[in-house]
Amino acid sequence: SQKIEQNSEALNIQEGKTATLTCNYTNYSPAYLQWYRQDPGRGPVFLLLIRENEKEKRKERLKVTFDTTLKQSLFHITASQPADSATYLCALDTRSNYQLIWGAGTKLIIKP
Amino acid sequence: DTGVSQDPRHKITKRGQNVTFRCDPISEHNRLYWYRQTLGQGPEFLTYFQNEAQLEKSRLLSNRFSAERPKGSFSTLEIQRTEQGDSAMYLCASSQPRTDTGELFFGEGSRLTVL
Repeated sequence: SQKIEQNSEALNIQEGKTATLTCNYTNYSPAYLQWYRQDPGRGPVFLLLIRENEKEKRKERLKVTFDTTLKQSLFHITASQPADSATYLCALDTRSNYQLIWGAGTKLIIKP
Repeated sequence: DTGVSQDPRHKITKRGQNVTFRCDPISEHNRLYWYRQTLGQGPEFLTYFQNEAQLEKSRLLSNRFSAERPKGSFSTLEIQRTEQGDSAMYLCASSQPRTDTGELFFGEGSRLTVL
């Protein structure tokens, strides 16, 4: 069956450290993979997109990697801050229809 | 504010009542999506419009749900004969014509509680 998995447990990270979140998928061939941030009671906000032929993408303190062999994307936040605390969602775009396929998200808590 | 707006933000209703949500997308975006999200889960696709045409609808969507986008601008999502299982956050998103990023811009959502 087709599945997307993100760490279901909350991730607690000390301020200033690098937070690494994982998105694993099976039985999909995504053309693109997107990462979103969602704060409680708010809609998701787009952060980064990485294409299937890209290994890595960076934006300020954010870095995303994409390994289509392992069927995995890693999302890194360097020099983490308490304001980075939120739920982070990954979403696959197979370009075969109009839907994004979403993971359940990982809650990240940055402790001061 | 030129982002996606949704109304109402919160709706409490009794089981069996009908509810309607409205979404105003970013004005130059011709693509509009409705998603449903429950606590601890990712957004679940409901339906997609390109301009006024409803091009895709989730098979999970019962016939109690209907969505419209007259004139290709705002959209409404109606739920008839609400059930407690309909309690969720209903998210609207819009995007530009298929670009390289496919980035979605979400509204703040409409939270529905069915008693």
